[in-house]
Amino acid sequence: DVKVTQSSRYLVKRTGEKVFLECVQDMDHENMFWYRQDPGLGLRLIYFSYDVKMKEKGDIPEGYSVSREKKERFSLILESASTNQTSMYLCASSLAGARDTEAFFGQGTRLTVV
Amino acid sequence: AQSVTQPDIHITVSEGASLELRCNYSYGATPYLFWYVQSPGQGLQLLLKYFSGDTLVQGIKGFEAEFKRSQSSFNLRKPSVHWSDAAEYFCAVGSNNAGKSTFGDGTTLTVKP
Repeated sequence: DVKVTQSSRYLVKRTGEKVFLECVQDMDHENMFWYRQDPGLGLRLIYFSYDVKMKEKGDIPEGYSVSREKKERFSLILESASTNQTSMYLCASSLAGARDTEAFFGQGTRLTVV
Repeated sequence: AQSVTQPDIHITVSEGASLELRCNYSYGATPYLFWYVQSPGQGLQLLLKYFSGDTLVQGIKGFEAEFKRSQSSFNLRKPSVHWSDAAEYFCAVGSNNAGKSTFGDGTTLTVKP
């Protein structure tokens, strides 16, 4: 089974802190994604990566950055956390090139910024 | 630009009753369509997908969905709902890059005993 693992289920951080959310997948997928999920807004794509060291902005990249130094690991970085970044963050991975291929999701990290 | 609309924010059905969750999409070419389910506190799991062929697609957990091009719809159905089906359901339309899909806002399903 594909496994996408997010390092924390719950995080509480203070405003202004630098926050790292880590995601690891074990199926050698080329693509990795970070989504943000808020009630009534569905899933919104923050960033995605289609290869090591490659990244592309999604719909809401402001206030976030990402890092992909190894194929299996994709990190989301909040340079200076703010209360409006309190949310559920979902990581996903998928194979490249096949349009009908599904995305596999981690269990999510619920981040609270106080 | 592609988009997905799930008109129902919240649906309540009785256990054993039938279920239909609506999804309408906007996409310029042949769409790649997905339904995912998210149980409380969990990530999303794929229920089924459509990309070509038979317009009635079978998925896991007894779910099916029907693609209707003329109506730009991909509604999810289940003939008899179980209490364990209570969850949030997301319809998505795929782009050339799987996972970089556009998701609807979700429909929360409550199952009454």
